[in-house]
Amino acid sequence: EPEVTQTPSHQVTQMGQEVILRCVPISNHLYFYWYRQILGQKVEFLVSFYNNEISEKSEIFDDQFSVERPDGSNFTLKIRSTKLEDSAMYFCASNGGLAGVEQFFGPGTRLTVL
Amino acid sequence: GENVEQHPSTLSVQEGDSAVIKCTYSDSASNYFPWYKQELGKRPQLIIDIRSNVGEKKDQRIAVTLNKTAKHFSLHITETQPEDSAVYFCAARETGNMLTFGGGTRLMVKP
Repeated sequence: EPEVTQTPSHQVTQMGQEVILRCVPISNHLYFYWYRQILGQKVEFLVSFYNNEISEKSEIFDDQFSVERPDGSNFTLKIRSTKLEDSAMYFCASNGGLAGVEQFFGPGTRLTVL
Repeated sequence: GENVEQHPSTLSVQEGDSAVIKCTYSDSASNYFPWYKQELGKRPQLIIDIRSNVGEKKDQRIAVTLNKTAKHFSLHITETQPEDSAVYFCAARETGNMLTFGGGTRLMVKP
C-alpha cells in the first residue's frame, strides 16, 4: 500500500539556522499538507498546497515558513530562521482531492531546535 | 475559524468495556469529521470518518455518530482490547481541506 514518506526522521539544529523538511506524497495525490505537533499537544494545521500554490495557511505559517514542490515527487517545508518554539513533530499529509478526502499522514520529522 | 473541543482528555477502561469519546465543533459549515488513532511516536492513522449528510457510521467495533444540530460527534469503541490503547484525535474540515483537530484523548485499556 502506498505511503507518504518523510526525511529526515529527526533533525537537530541551532536556533537561527534554516531547515528543510522533505516529504514524498502518495504519487497520484493532488493536495499536500504540513501539520505540526508540539510534544504532548494536538496536531495543528500549517499549510495546504494544490496546483503548485498555497491554497490555505494558518496563523502559524508566517513569513519564516515556505513550501515548495521542486519536482514531480517531493514536497518541502522550509523554516528560514528557526526558533526554540519551532521544536515539534512535523507531519506531511496528502490526499486525492474532493473525491478522496482521507488525508494520509507521513511518519513525521522530529525537529529539535537548540 | 473552526474550533474543536474533545473530551475526556484521558480515559481508562477495562478490557471488554466500551469507550466513548466526544467532540464538539463550532463552524456549522464543517462537513467532514475524521477520527485518527496515534500510537506513541507514530503517525496519525485514520480509523473512521463521517460526512455531514450521514448520522452514523459503523466499522466492526468502531462507530461514529454525528449530531449536526448540536454540532457534536462521538467515537464509540466496543469490546475494547489492549491494542486499542493510544491517543485518539477527532477533527473537522470546513469548506477547504484543512483539518482542525481536537486536543486528543489518551485511551488506556487495562487487561
